[in-house]
Amino acid sequence: ELKVEQNPLFLSMQEGKNYTIYCNYSTTSDRLYWYRQDPGKSLESLFVLLSNGAVKQEGRLMASLDTKARLSTLHITAAVHDLSATYFCAVEEYGGSQGNLIFGKGTKLSVKP
Amino acid sequence: DSGVTQTPKHLITATGQRVTLRCSPRSGDLSVYWYQQSLDQGLQFLIQYYNGEERAKGNILERFSAQQFPDLHSELNLSSLELGDSALYFCASSVFPGVANEQFFGPGTRLTVL
Repeated sequence: ELKVEQNPLFLSMQEGKNYTIYCNYSTTSDRLYWYRQDPGKSLESLFVLLSNGAVKQEGRLMASLDTKARLSTLHITAAVHDLSATYFCAVEEYGGSQGNLIFGKGTKLSVKP
Repeated sequence: DSGVTQTPKHLITATGQRVTLRCSPRSGDLSVYWYQQSLDQGLQFLIQYYNGEERAKGNILERFSAQQFPDLHSELNLSSLELGDSALYFCASSVFPGVANEQFFGPGTRLTVL
C-alpha cells in the first residue's frame, strides 16, 4: 500500500527566508504532483514531476523528484506572505490502480512579516 | 478556474438523510474522481470513474455510491448521513489515461450534517 508522508506539517516562516518541504513515499512511482490549497478553497495544481531528476520552477517555488530515494522536495526561496497556504504532494499509484493519486497530509505554511 | 464545476457549494442536512452531489468534468476529460476532505482524515480518495465505468475504489463507505453518466458528469450519493460525514467533498477530473494524471479539482461542496 502506497503511503505518502510530508514534513513538516506546519511551517511558520519569516518573509525573505528560504525553506524546504519534504515528501517521502513508500513504493515505486515516478509521477508526483504538488498542489496548493488556500483556506476554504479548492486545490490548485502547481507542479507535475514525471521522471527521476525532474525539476520544475515557478516564481519562488521549485520542486524536484528523486525516484530512487522516493523523495520530492518543494523549495521556497525568499518567502512572501502570498505563499501562505497548505501544500500537498500526491503520488500516482502503479499497476491496477494506476492513475490514482495518494495525497500527503499537507504542509500548512504561514509566512509572517 | 479549473474548468471543473460542482453543485451545490454548500449543503446543510440532518442525520439519516440522503444527498446528491454533482460534478461536471473539464471538457475532454474522461476520468472523474471524488475525494473527501476533513480535518481529522485529510484528503481521502473515494472513487474513480472512467468513461462511465467505475475504475477504482478508495475509502468509500457502503452508504456512499457514485455514478458517471453518458455526458460524463458524475454524481456522488451519500445516504444515512452521520455527523462524521460533514466534510468538504471535491470532484476532480483528468485526461487519464495519458502521459500524466494531473487532476484538476472543482470548487468543492461543503456538507454539514446536523
